Amino acid sequence: GAVVSQHPSRVICKSGTSVKIECRSLDFQATTMFWYRQFPKKSLMLMATSNEGSKATYEQGVEKDKFLINHASLTLSTLTVTSAHPEDSSFYICSAPGTGDSDTQYFGPGTRLTVL
Amino acid sequence: GNSVTQMEGPVTLSEEAFLTINCTYTATGYPSLFWYVQYPGEGLQLLLKATKADDKGSNKGFEATYRKETTSFHLEKGSVQVSDSAVYFCALSGAAGNKLTFGGGTRVLVKP
Repeated sequence: GAVVSQHPSRVICKSGTSVKIECRSLDFQATTMFWYRQFPKKSLMLMATSNEGSKATYEQGVEKDKFLINHASLTLSTLTVTSAHPEDSSFYICSAPGTGDSDTQYFGPGTRLTVL
Repeated sequence: GNSVTQMEGPVTLSEEAFLTINCTYTATGYPSLFWYVQYPGEGLQLLLKATKADDKGSNKGFEATYRKETTSFHLEKGSVQVSDSAVYFCALSGAAGNKLTFGGGTRVLVKP
């Protein structure tokens, strides 16, 4: 089946620094990937749609300059949290639609970001 | 816009009990409906889905029927196991590029 990986799984950083999170589709190509944020005991909130070879599409209320998304290849999308602050601490999850069944999303295991 | 509402947890059950998690939605057009499951320490996995009205999705003993008239997609399992302990998310996908809208998630704890 389709596998999506994320790296790192956990990251702790100081306030004001930037953190990059990678999302890879391991055995399929993904022209589109999605980035979500999950708060403790809360649902997933879609942040943006990552498009290979073009700009990401951000959901309303998500700061483009704070959450930089780059979809450099058909198997890799990155989310960079710039000038991170404690309120950015969260669980970030990516997903990609399957190639045979684009209706189904395959999710990465998530990245736990803690900003001190 | 699209929205999904599901019952709040946690839901605590004994092994072999019957499980129902209610899910209702609002959406324009004809969305596809999903149940995703998140086991402790793991990423979300697709549990089942239905793409049109009256379709029934099923997997691992779980079932859900796409009810357009009641805009619902309730999840059921007749006899739960301890290994079913997880967080269950109802979701829908509209026409806009496979973007998923999630419900709030329901934590289920099955005790032996």
